[in-house]
Amino acid sequence: QVTLRESGPALVKPTQTLTLTCTFSGFSLSTSGMCVSWIRQPPGKALEWLARIDWDDDEFYSTSLKTRLTISKDTSKNQVVLTMTNMDPVDTATYYCARTLSSGIFDYWGQGALVTVSS
Amino acid sequence: EIVLTQSPGTLSLSPGERATLSCRASQSVSSSSLAWFQQKPGQAPRLLIYGASSRATGIPDRFSGSGSGTDFTLAISRLEPEDFAVYYCQHYRTFGGGTKVEIK
Repeated sequence: QVTLRESGPALVKPTQTLTLTCTFSGFSLSTSGMCVSWIRQPPGKALEWLARIDWDDDEFYSTSLKTRLTISKDTSKNQVVLTMTNMDPVDTATYYCARTLSSGIFDYWGQGALVTVSS
Repeated sequence: EIVLTQSPGTLSLSPGERATLSCRASQSVSSSSLAWFQQKPGQAPRLLIYGASSRATGIPDRFSGSGSGTDFTLAISRLEPEDFAVYYCQHYRTFGGGTKVEIK
């Protein structure tokens, strides 16, 4: 059974760095074709893809946010970490991690973590 | 970068009716990487359709996907009460803006 769970702070201040952890089970990021993505959704708005890390350590980032994002993995702990620098109130959103197949399909999602950016 | 445009923005229908949702890509895309998701309030998106027309595990056969190139469609043959939700199409790193299916 595949599960993913996001964890991190619910509240960050403007200009701070956000660090989110995705802890997963039921698959391994050392298996060929396996990837994990981060996707966010501002309240009442559409989904926005942020970043992806692959089984072979390839990393991919949103063009508009690439200067602020870093994605990494710890295969032994079954965790993927996303950091986003210089947080702004417009970054207030629910942040999801999702298992991603090499075909680009997000087949399993975590429950999401709401992050509010406010002073 | 590819843009996915979903229409209509909102679809008001009654239970038992047929729903037809459209997703149009700004340029031709690979059908193998076109997916549809359902999202209910307070929940994560759920994969419904992948590869433009294949149902994900556990998805009822009243959901069907079709299309190729730039035009894709999600159809729900007979709306059940639990089908009223927001639906998103997706291709690789791009999501559409969503279609809300609401009770008329």
